[in-house]
Amino acid sequence: GAGVSQTPSNKVTEKGKYVELRCDPISGHTALYWYRQSLGQGPEFLIYFQGTGAADDSGLPNDRFFAVRPEGSVSTLKIQRTERGDSAVYLCASSRTKGLREGGSYNEQFFGPGTRLTVL
Amino acid sequence: EDKVVQSPLSLVVHEGDTVTLNCSYEVTNFRSLLWYKQEKKAPTFLFMLTSSGIEKKSGRLSSILDKKELSSILNITATQTGDSAIYLCAVDTSYDKVIFGPGTSLSVIP
Repeated sequence: GAGVSQTPSNKVTEKGKYVELRCDPISGHTALYWYRQSLGQGPEFLIYFQGTGAADDSGLPNDRFFAVRPEGSVSTLKIQRTERGDSAVYLCASSRTKGLREGGSYNEQFFGPGTRLTVL
Repeated sequence: EDKVVQSPLSLVVHEGDTVTLNCSYEVTNFRSLLWYKQEKKAPTFLFMLTSSGIEKKSGRLSSILDKKELSSILNITATQTGDSAIYLCAVDTSYDKVIFGPGTSLSVIP
């Protein structure tokens, strides 16, 4: 079956502009994660959705960042008034778990190919 | 603050060498330790470790967790050029959050 897909694969924008990054998770996966990865660093957690709701958005760096998942499937990460420091690869991952808090072991996260955002 | 540390950050070896990658962590509510391989963009899952001292093995790759020392190692024997990648260590917490380390960039030269 299809894996996690992300669009666009590359996005170049100017400082101050608004961007939207899209993630299509694996069908049936209820959990969706957004990460940001800068050069030479590991993925940094941004936000986690369980279904339609954001279960944990503690990783969003500031109020310029916002993410939605209105129907519990596709998610959009929105960045307002972009800054050069926002340049990074934005990774999305999904997993089939209904909630890790319900116990049991880690449910593997399947990653998309990422969107490389460059803010000039 | 929760953190995951990896060493070395980069490594260059010749084909056929054996390498050991290190990971240590300080997190609250540890649930499991994960290893991922990242080529190009998307990380791919290698291992999940929850119990100390039990080795997980997949082909030439193996990994073990030491919960007393809050650390793990990933071994790759008889390295091949196709093993060149960034190897990410991460910790899954009971807060539904996965915390990644900075990765070890491995280059295997012929």
